[in-house]
Amino acid sequence: AQSVAQPEDQVNVAEGNPLTVKCTYSVSGNPYLFWYVQYPNRGLQFLLKYITGDNLVKGSYGFEAEFNKSQTSFHLKKPSALVSDSALYFCAVRDIGDYKLSFGAGTTVTVRA
Amino acid sequence: GAVVSQHPSRVICKSGTSVKIECRSLDFQATTMFWYRQFPKQSLMLMATSNEGSKATYEQGVEKDKFLINHASLTLSTLTVTSAHPEDSSFYICSARLRTEVTEAFFGQGTRLTVV
Repeated sequence: AQSVAQPEDQVNVAEGNPLTVKCTYSVSGNPYLFWYVQYPNRGLQFLLKYITGDNLVKGSYGFEAEFNKSQTSFHLKKPSALVSDSALYFCAVRDIGDYKLSFGAGTTVTVRA
Repeated sequence: GAVVSQHPSRVICKSGTSVKIECRSLDFQATTMFWYRQFPKQSLMLMATSNEGSKATYEQGVEKDKFLINHASLTLSTLTVTSAHPEDSSFYICSARLRTEVTEAFFGQGTRLTVV
């Protein structure tokens, strides 16, 4: 079985400050990990993924995430948040041997000007 | 990234009628497409997985006779909500994976269904 936890329903930051969105996961084997962003009434946009290799993954729009196997975490980060980053963020995991994605509950990010 | 187009983006229908939602992979062949349902401010719930040329696999608790899924080609899957009721009102999202072994899924823009 696989699952994802996003412990924070909401994250609020000021524009220009660092942004972190937390994610922990559970899989039976090796994980594929993903971050997606969703704007109101829209589908999900892919931000980045971890498959193997370097634990620090860089993605779209200046986002990055760090895979930590010992803590089973994959936190999303951005050094300097923008108002336009305000959206709903989903962490997702897929076991290498499975075709289904499991999503976290989502974290609403609000960046204030 | 690959493009998945979902149509319509919004639909309002009367209770008891059927609604068809299309999901197309525009620039790649998708052997597998997924249909999700999303309630307001909640995560995505996988409804079913459709493979080209075969019957869809439904998740537990999803009525296959109510939510008909067809994946007739490598670029098109359809979800038909039959005999819709107000409780079927929701946001429906499809996603597709590339034919080759690429790990991320690409999502359509979603369909807001309102049953009145």
